[in-house]
Amino acid sequence: ETGVTQTPRHLVMGMTNKKSLKCEQHLGHNAMYWYKQSAKKPLELMFVYNFKEQTENNSVPSRFSPECPNSSHLFLHLHTLQPEDSALYLCASSQGQTYNEQFFGPGTRLTVL
Amino acid sequence: EDKVVQSPLSLVVHEGDTVTLNCSYEVTNFRSLLWYKQEKKAPTFLFMLTSSGIEKKSGRLSSILDKKELFSILNITATQTGDSAVYLCAGIPQEGSGAGSYQLTFGKGTKLSVIP
Repeated sequence: ETGVTQTPRHLVMGMTNKKSLKCEQHLGHNAMYWYKQSAKKPLELMFVYNFKEQTENNSVPSRFSPECPNSSHLFLHLHTLQPEDSALYLCASSQGQTYNEQFFGPGTRLTVL
Repeated sequence: EDKVVQSPLSLVVHEGDTVTLNCSYEVTNFRSLLWYKQEKKAPTFLFMLTSSGIEKKSGRLSSILDKKELFSILNITATQTGDSAVYLCAGIPQEGSGAGSYQLTFGKGTKLSVIP
């Protein structure tokens, strides 16, 4: 248990659905991250928030929309996804300088049909 | 384009062996290198290396960074079956070093299997 929780743990959705992934950290950290991990590919950073401000959008398609209402919560809103978006989506948080020791959540396994 | 290359991609050893995992990097305005262990899903942090030549240790694990030759190694001594995992390294640039300065580049990982 790292202090970072993600819900749901598994999600199956059609290409026309709209869903949201939720991440919550109980560590008092100020920075939060979304990562995508596809099979046989390196971990990919998607978004970075520091003190609720988005500091990085790594050329992610607009069908992924992040939201960070406060330093403890991070959402990833999904709409009109493609089958190639199927992957493990990991949330992480860190304290202080961005990319200090990051604590990862257990991830959401997303399957797009 | 920034790049991180890990070798070997996979490794099988017997319990008690010592292993060395390699990570070479090409990261613009390099600041630090991170090592993670990923067993099932969530990666767990191992080391953050910023200074060259200074070994960091945690139990049977140790790591060192060579900023001249642009690589890092992760050593595991007296391996145990619980060390079986994918080990990831990532290079990070200086903050505020321009567009993409928060880009974190991961390698593909080294899959370590420790057999009894």
